[in-house]
Amino acid sequence: QQQVKQSPQSLIVQKGGISIINCAYENTAFDYFPWYQQFPGKGPALLIAIRPDVSEKKEGRFTISFNKSAKQFSLHIMDSQPGDSATYFCAASIEGGSRLTFGEGTQLTVNP
Amino acid sequence: DADVTQTPRNRITKTGKRIMLECSQTKGHDRMYWYRQDPGLGLRLIYYSFDVKDINKGEISDGYSVSRQAQAKFSLSLESAIPNQTALYFCATSDLGGRGTDTQYFGPGTRLTVL
Repeated sequence: QQQVKQSPQSLIVQKGGISIINCAYENTAFDYFPWYQQFPGKGPALLIAIRPDVSEKKEGRFTISFNKSAKQFSLHIMDSQPGDSATYFCAASIEGGSRLTFGEGTQLTVNP
Repeated sequence: DADVTQTPRNRITKTGKRIMLECSQTKGHDRMYWYRQDPGLGLRLIYYSFDVKDINKGEISDGYSVSRQAQAKFSLSLESAIPNQTALYFCATSDLGGRGTDTQYFGPGTRLTVL
């Protein structure tokens, strides 16, 4: 049972375009929603995270949009670059993040 | 992340063999985790430990055991490996951050193949 559903499974974007990855969750007790970025041969690394008391968080070209009523959140990558090509995982947890439940992952390819 | 190391990085073994994967960290964190990554399934939590005396089962602990030898060391064992345990295994550490958020720092992973 996947408590966090992520889509799409793969995404191809042209350089300079906007990449959008969506996640939906079921457990209303989740209160911390991080996104992790994983390059080939490496472990995942925290990219950006949000708590449900805000609807949006922006860090540079990366923005999380959060819709509590719909139980959905998304990652937007503005001005996508080839260096952004990686696998992205959304996740959710209760009480701050110790037990993360991950989505299935999205493999992003940004073409030059 | 060089602060979290995993050994071995790659391992091929046969069905029924006992395997140990090791994780060491120099970040000084109390919390450590073991995950497995499978294509299309994301990362799933196997076991986690909040300190040396605290071990907890995660989402998919069957067929696995762990040992927390010290604050810095957390080992994962497969008592009798089977082919569907073929996966990429990650160790992670964390320390409770501000506002109760908990950034996890992952090691480079161990690719395990069970024939």
